[in-house]
Amino acid sequence: QVQLVVSGGGLVKPGGSLRLSCAASGFTFSDYYMSWIRQAPGKGLEWVSHISRSGATIYYADSVKGRFTISRDNAKNSLFLQMNSLRAEDTAVYYCARLGRPDTGAPEDYWGQGTLVTVSS
Amino acid sequence: DIQMTQSPSSLSASVGDRVTITCRASQSISGYLNWYQQKPGKAPKLLIYDASSLQSGVPSRFSGSGSGPDFTLTISSLQPEDFATYYCQQSYSAPRTFGQGTKVEIK
Repeated sequence: QVQLVVSGGGLVKPGGSLRLSCAASGFTFSDYYMSWIRQAPGKGLEWVSHISRSGATIYYADSVKGRFTISRDNAKNSLFLQMNSLRAEDTAVYYCARLGRPDTGAPEDYWGQGTLVTVSS
Repeated sequence: DIQMTQSPSSLSASVGDRVTITCRASQSISGYLNWYQQKPGKAPKLLIYDASSLQSGVPSRFSGSGSGPDFTLTISSLQPEDFATYYCQQSYSAPRTFGQGTKVEIK
């Protein structure tokens, strides 16, 4: 069965960095686009970024562009989100998700459990 | 960016009620409209994709319709396990955007 396990969250000071990981299993990871989506406490969902199967095509939300970097290692079935210059408004639960078919219009059909990132001094 | 306006923001309903949630896109999204259900402390779950296609394993009481700019999620007979927050999302273009959510509460 498809599994996405997210790790790497925690408490970080403003201006700090954190790297999130998402370990995938139960499907051929290299066949799927992958996304990061976040949710601030008590708020709605905000799409952060997604990456193509090879990693050649990447999109970011304006709110994280230039600070966050998405990447993947298909040999290790893993997705990453490097977060730099963190701000209080980046505090959220971060989910990784799989796009359900090999086109850019696909929905996110499987989601990891999420990891909480708290940016506070 | 494409704005997704969802309504209502909350509603109260009873078990067995028919429930309708609406989402309006600020520009054409060619039917790339998805609906998710989220329960407290859990990851969202895909219910409907491409405006009207039912995700595998989702009960048939959930249905989606619309072709733009207005889309609708309908729950034909609300069940106790359906009390949750529902989000629409456009996957037509990046940045992908979500509606603000509709919380369905017990009357």
